[in-house]
Amino acid sequence: DAGITQSPRHKVTETGTPVTLRCHQTENHRYMYWYRQDPGHGLRLIHYSYGVKDTDKGEVSDGYSVSRSKTEDFLLTLESATSSQTSVYFCAISEGGEKLFFGSGTQLSVL
Amino acid sequence: AQSVTQLDSQVPVFEEAPVELRCNYSSSVSVYLFWYVQYPNQGLQLLLKYLSGSTLVKGINGFEAEFNKSQTSFHLRKPSVHISDTAEYFCAVTLTYGQNFVFGPGTRLSVLP
Repeated sequence: DAGITQSPRHKVTETGTPVTLRCHQTENHRYMYWYRQDPGHGLRLIHYSYGVKDTDKGEVSDGYSVSRSKTEDFLLTLESATSSQTSVYFCAISEGGEKLFFGSGTQLSVL
Repeated sequence: AQSVTQLDSQVPVFEEAPVELRCNYSSSVSVYLFWYVQYPNQGLQLLLKYLSGSTLVKGINGFEAEFNKSQTSFHLRKPSVHISDTAEYFCAVTLTYGQNFVFGPGTRLSVLP
């Protein structure tokens, strides 16, 4: 299995609070991604990174920001959490457009 | 922008029966195509991929898929399913090397005894 660790695995927070999810990889892959998974929508891309300090928006980026200061870490921040951001968040890595390796996911509940 | 359609949100099938999960994509240029499987409370795992070459692609666990460019389809098939194949299956497409992978909404396969 690819070395991808997501933390925390579960998080319950209140509306309006900031939340940061962390993705750590040991594979030295260039590309890192944050997806959210919701019933009926599959996985939707939030943000991705193609190198240190190089990031770009996905289709559902509003309300989210990311940072990548090291190859191995990709942080996703919800600046002011809302109930619509309750979801399962997956980090994925790739060395190039051949396939993604996924982490185990973070279940986030915003009350 | 590319998009992926999975027409069947749920597919129930009896054990040892064949199954086909449908995937259609929209794109005006060449694509890479993938099928991923998600078992309960886990991340996604790659089943198989089409990058180029033979249009019939074989993957893990006895699954295969056929790329049909004229119909923009990439249907997943297995001749005989097992209870352990119960999972959610996602079709995905990407255009550009290393960039955005677009996923379909998923098909939940339930294998019944």
